[in-house]
Amino acid sequence: SQQGEEDPQALSIQEGENATMNCSYKTSINNLQWYRQNSGRGLVHLILIRSNEREKHSGRLRVTLDTSKKSSSLLITASRAADTASYFCATDRNQGGKLIFGQGTELSVKP
Amino acid sequence: GAGVSQSPSNKVTEKGKDVELRCDPISGHTALYWYRQRLGQGLEFLIYFQGNSAPDKSGLPSDRFSAERTGESVSTLTIQRTQQEDSAVYLCASSLFGVDEKLFFGSGTQLSVL
Repeated sequence: SQQGEEDPQALSIQEGENATMNCSYKTSINNLQWYRQNSGRGLVHLILIRSNEREKHSGRLRVTLDTSKKSSSLLITASRAADTASYFCATDRNQGGKLIFGQGTELSVKP
Repeated sequence: GAGVSQSPSNKVTEKGKDVELRCDPISGHTALYWYRQRLGQGLEFLIYFQGNSAPDKSGLPSDRFSAERTGESVSTLTIQRTQQEDSAVYLCASSLFGVDEKLFFGSGTQLSVL
């Protein structure tokens, strides 16, 4: 079974609005990562947050991590049509090495 | 290399045939992953190689699936006696384990089994 579960499965917003996606996981982790996928092919790494961090920023991205709730959120501020993509969280299960991905959130930003 | 390279980018085969998918990771990356992604679905972990350690094959769905890696370079994913349910995008990724955990992905191989 998948380690991470994102919600919502799909999100549609207008340009300029903020988009929030959530990820829940089941076991202890070393870090949690978010990736973006365009057109169903290769994924691109966005941001990594370690288990001892609570919040991290990168440009218009803000990631939070709550290890007590085993959940993370990805916020994209001032969204653009070019942000339209699928977003996945991935965790390493505190064993190092392999990453397990969630099912993803499909974000649509309408101009 | 400049990035992770996968070949072929598309493969159409007949049910029952064997296929080989190739992945060239970024030079120097010790970790290599294979994932499968069915249409509209998330990434399904298949197999993970890390340096000289025994590969983690826990995600391979059946004994028709196997993968090899030569040292810290090329990897080949082989699917024997393909079935229609094997149709998916097969994604390869590599990382510099222990230094930077982020994965760099190839563009994938779209496999269609008729």
